[in-house]
Amino acid sequence: SAVISQKPSRDICQRGTSLTIQCQVDSQVTMMFWYRQQPGQSLTLIATANQGSEATYESGFVIDKFPISRPNLTFSTLTVSNMSPEDSSIYLCSVEEYGLIGTDTQYFGPGTRLTVL
Amino acid sequence: GDSVTQMEGPVTLSEEAFLTINCTYTATGYPSLFWYVQYPGEGLQLLLKATKADDKGSNKGFEATYRKETTSFHLEKGSVQVSDSAVYFCALSPSNAGGTSYGKLTFGQGTILTVHP
Repeated sequence: SAVISQKPSRDICQRGTSLTIQCQVDSQVTMMFWYRQQPGQSLTLIATANQGSEATYESGFVIDKFPISRPNLTFSTLTVSNMSPEDSSIYLCSVEEYGLIGTDTQYFGPGTRLTVL
Repeated sequence: GDSVTQMEGPVTLSEEAFLTINCTYTATGYPSLFWYVQYPGEGLQLLLKATKADDKGSNKGFEATYRKETTSFHLEKGSVQVSDSAVYFCALSPSNAGGTSYGKLTFGQGTILTVHP
């Protein structure tokens, strides 16, 4: 499976500032995803990022708040803008690997733990 | 829309006990089903998957069978260990009739498992 790294692994930020999270994959992938895991909660998809096109956002998430870049097939960034304490979460990127028909699977990075004061 | 419901937690067991974590889903078409595990302080790892009715996914002594008639994908293990203590997430992704999944994962709320010696 793909090896996924994220930077930073954790950060503590002041409200009103922005943080950019990087996701790097060791192989070329078409689809990358960004999820949010709020404290004690499940994962919620923020957006899907395909190389060469605009990211597709899920209901409740907007580009102005969570701009995403996908400059090539191995890298993506998620920016959390104008942060508030409610943005304190773990942010995870994932990639979809295509195996034999019926074996497509998403693999996750280690996550970025963000605390906003 | 698609949804996943897991049994309420937390679940506390003694070592070598039998484990069942219930998962039921609502989806159209032919979803693929997954169990992911999140160990303390770590990212999300794929535990097992099944892509069509009656498939059984298995890994590390865990098993789950895709039951289309009951829309369920319950996770079982015959003898748990302290090292199995983690949060377990059931998830689904939409798939076509050929079993090729695409995109968005929908997660259940997660079940915390604690195993005591």
